[in-house]
Amino acid sequence: GNSVTQMEGPVTLSEEAFLTINCTYTATGYPSLFWYVQYPGEGLQLLLKATKADDKGSNKGFEATYRKETTSFHLEKGSVQVSDSAVYFCALPGTGGGNKLTFGTGTQLKVEL
Amino acid sequence: EPEVTQTPSHQVTQMGQEVILRCVPISNHLYFYWYRQILGQKVEFLVSFYNNEISEKSEIFDDQFSVERPDGSNFTLKIRSTKLEDSAMYFCASSEEPQLAGGGAGELFFGEGSRLTVL
Repeated sequence: GNSVTQMEGPVTLSEEAFLTINCTYTATGYPSLFWYVQYPGEGLQLLLKATKADDKGSNKGFEATYRKETTSFHLEKGSVQVSDSAVYFCALPGTGGGNKLTFGTGTQLKVEL
Repeated sequence: EPEVTQTPSHQVTQMGQEVILRCVPISNHLYFYWYRQILGQKVEFLVSFYNNEISEKSEIFDDQFSVERPDGSNFTLKIRSTKLEDSAMYFCASSEEPQLAGGGAGELFFGEGSRLTVL
């Protein structure tokens, strides 16, 4: 069935460093792919998404490109800030259709001054 | 900005006790969900709810679990007799439209989560 695998955290970076959080997926067909983010004390919120192969989702300086050749949807940001410290979740629609998402384990990012 | 709110933020209970986790979805949303995350594991879908009935549930959502929308604002998850393995963070979510299999429509809005610890 559909699943995602994310790199384990925590990832600790200095401010202005380059960020990559890896996500690979297994799916039937080419479903939409998502990144959700959970800031401390808040709920998960949609960060960006890509609905078809080769699409690039972007938001708040973050980007992720839907690469069907490598079944990947890595999250990147050129220069992280302390305010980006959060847990990031890769997700895709669940197996068999229906009204659900399948998430990864989440990757915690800590950005230090 | 509208948000999904969940209570309690943390509940500790004894094994075998009943627990009710409460959620107030965004007011104009029609689709409601519960997910959970056991520490260190993936966020897992439990159940979706629409038009006052369950529209889909996972194999995790067995007879010990139930959901209810008792009034126009609350959406609850009840665990009848908690087990140690029910210890997890439980997330409520809502959407205006369904989260389609193809990933279209229905952006999910999540609450902060309720941490359940079963002793």
